[in-house]
Amino acid sequence: DTGVSQNPRHKITKRGQNVTFRCDPISEHNRLYWYRQTLGQGPEFLTYFQNEAQLEKSRLLSDRFSAERPKGSFSTLEIQRTEQGDSAMYLCVGEIAGGSYEQYFGPGTRLTVT
Amino acid sequence: GEDVEQSLFLSVREGDSSVINCTYTDSSSTYLYWYKQEPGAGLQLLTYIFSNMDMKQDQRLTVLLNKKDKHLSLRIADTQTGDSAIYFCAETINTGKLIFGQGTTLQVKP
Repeated sequence: DTGVSQNPRHKITKRGQNVTFRCDPISEHNRLYWYRQTLGQGPEFLTYFQNEAQLEKSRLLSDRFSAERPKGSFSTLEIQRTEQGDSAMYLCVGEIAGGSYEQYFGPGTRLTVT
Repeated sequence: GEDVEQSLFLSVREGDSSVINCTYTDSSSTYLYWYKQEPGAGLQLLTYIFSNMDMKQDQRLTVLLNKKDKHLSLRIADTQTGDSAIYFCAETINTGKLIFGQGTTLQVKP
């Protein structure tokens, strides 16, 4: 158990709907990352936060994607107007910054867009 | 650019050693990691090595880093059926953002 929890674990939605995922890291994780993993591939970086500040966003994060970490604790990832290509596992990762970048992955939210 | 490459599949017999290889392109990498993913489970950090080291040993795991050739390997001694999983190599360059390879599926035959 890495201490990072994600909800929901599975989400099935129809194309065009909006979805929101939540991640709860442990309190010591001042850095929080979102990755996306599709079948047969390694995780791809989407964005990360240092406390509540969003410091980097990948080119993969289109305008339909938005992430927040309002109080530097939990984080949400919203996808608007979902497309079938958004189907993937969305992974949240916690890290204690200032060390060796040891990153602890949550179990992920599997999104299926029909 | 940043790119991490791994072979896709490795099959070994129980009790043998497994060696999983990885190459990366960015010479600025500061840390390199090995993660394990079992079916239906999340990624588990196995071990990592700082770029100024060339070897790290942790129980049955040995990580070798050849910085000149940009080559990283993970050796698992006395491989067990419970080691069957996908193994991901990853690098980071100071920011903490991880760049992953596509994963190597390790199959351990009894």
